[in-house]
Amino acid sequence: AQTIHQWPVAEIKAVGSPLSLGCTIKGKSSPNLYWYWQATGGTLQQLFYSITVGQVESVVQLNLSASRPKDDQFILSTEKLLLSHSGFYLCAWSLQDRASAETLYFGSGTRLTVL
Amino acid sequence: GQQVQQSPASLVLQEGENAELQCNFSTSLNSMQWFYQRPGGSLVSLFYNPSGTKHSGRLTSTTVIKERRSSLHISSSQTTDSGTYLCALEFYGSSGNKLIFGIGTLLSVKP
Repeated sequence: AQTIHQWPVAEIKAVGSPLSLGCTIKGKSSPNLYWYWQATGGTLQQLFYSITVGQVESVVQLNLSASRPKDDQFILSTEKLLLSHSGFYLCAWSLQDRASAETLYFGSGTRLTVL
Repeated sequence: GQQVQQSPASLVLQEGENAELQCNFSTSLNSMQWFYQRPGGSLVSLFYNPSGTKHSGRLTSTTVIKERRSSLHISSSQTTDSGTYLCALEFYGSSGNKLIFGIGTLLSVKP
């Protein structure tokens, strides 16, 4: 069975400090990977997607970056946090095969508070 | 403009009452998904429903693509149904799957 693990569960960080959020998918090779973000009271929106190792596409510009160092790992990071980065971050995966790519599967998320 | 509109924005029910949540979209899509968002933020997938009607326990989802709408019916509501219900349009192609979410319906079920 496939599992998706996000870390940390929650973070409280200072403005201007660096950030690194992680996501690991086990039990599925070569998945599509995604980062979603939800501001408090806002709509979930896609930030990044990746269809292969080393390749990441940005969907929304939020002064964040993402990397896929391994097939099963997706990292979201920034060197300087802004107050507007606060919110809830979700990692997700889907199948590569378009014919059977029915849905996205989400992790349990990371709650980020920037002070 | 907004591609996904959900209504109502919030709903308060007495336990045992039924709920009808609506999702209207302004663009063509590959499919529609309904999620339950727990108070902590994590998502529970309820339905993947490209068209027609699907049932799961007390939940029913109906998607009518040509009318650009989908609904989620909750029968005999329970206090544990409280939370936010999100619908999302799904597009998939060479860049993988993309979900465009609505703002959600906040459901509160009173005992």
